[in-house]
Amino acid sequence: DAGITQSPRHKVTETGTPVTLRCHQTENHRYMYWYRQDPGHGLRLIHYSYGVKDTDKGEVSDGYSVSRSKTEDFLLTLESATSSQTSVYFCAISVTNNSPLHFGNGTRLTVT
Amino acid sequence: EDKVVQSPLSLVVHEGDTVTLNCSYEVTNFRSLLWYKQEKKAPTFLFMLTSSGIEKKSGRLSSILDKKELFSILNITATQTGDSAIYLCAVEREGAQKLVFGQGTRLTINP
Repeated sequence: DAGITQSPRHKVTETGTPVTLRCHQTENHRYMYWYRQDPGHGLRLIHYSYGVKDTDKGEVSDGYSVSRSKTEDFLLTLESATSSQTSVYFCAISVTNNSPLHFGNGTRLTVT
Repeated sequence: EDKVVQSPLSLVVHEGDTVTLNCSYEVTNFRSLLWYKQEKKAPTFLFMLTSSGIEKKSGRLSSILDKKELFSILNITATQTGDSAIYLCAVEREGAQKLVFGQGTRLTINP
């Protein structure tokens, strides 16, 4: 699993509540990513980071924010969860800028 | 906008059959194409392809890229039930450090 831990593994929350998902890596890699996976859409990039305090938006960033105050942690926040954000969220890291992504085991989020 | 299309979306075959999965793409400043296998949890890396016509092989799996026609295929020979998974194709552009994925092909191998 390339030293990637996602937490929580599962979460059920209500519409309108804030939610933070955590991705923790143990190997000091520079690049970290948040993807969501939904049936019929494959994996879609939400936000990514190329270093501490350096982040950028992906293709489906609306309704999400991220923070990276330490190399090892990349947080994804839903400020006010909506049912359309029910999904499986994957964190990924890249060892170098020329290496494949390695994924965490995912967080299944249900917004009721 | 970068685009990756996989076909078929779903495939059911019998153990021992050979399957071919397809991935076509449109991307500006292409850098690489990657294949992943996803069983129950995290996608796991299979191949990275950067050059046309050079086959990458790992056991019963192989893949090749055609940069002129903008597609790649993933072949699995002598399929086993353990090959049942979603197979994901993704592309990366130069300087982007991020992947764009296709919808995936759900492969089911029946005994």
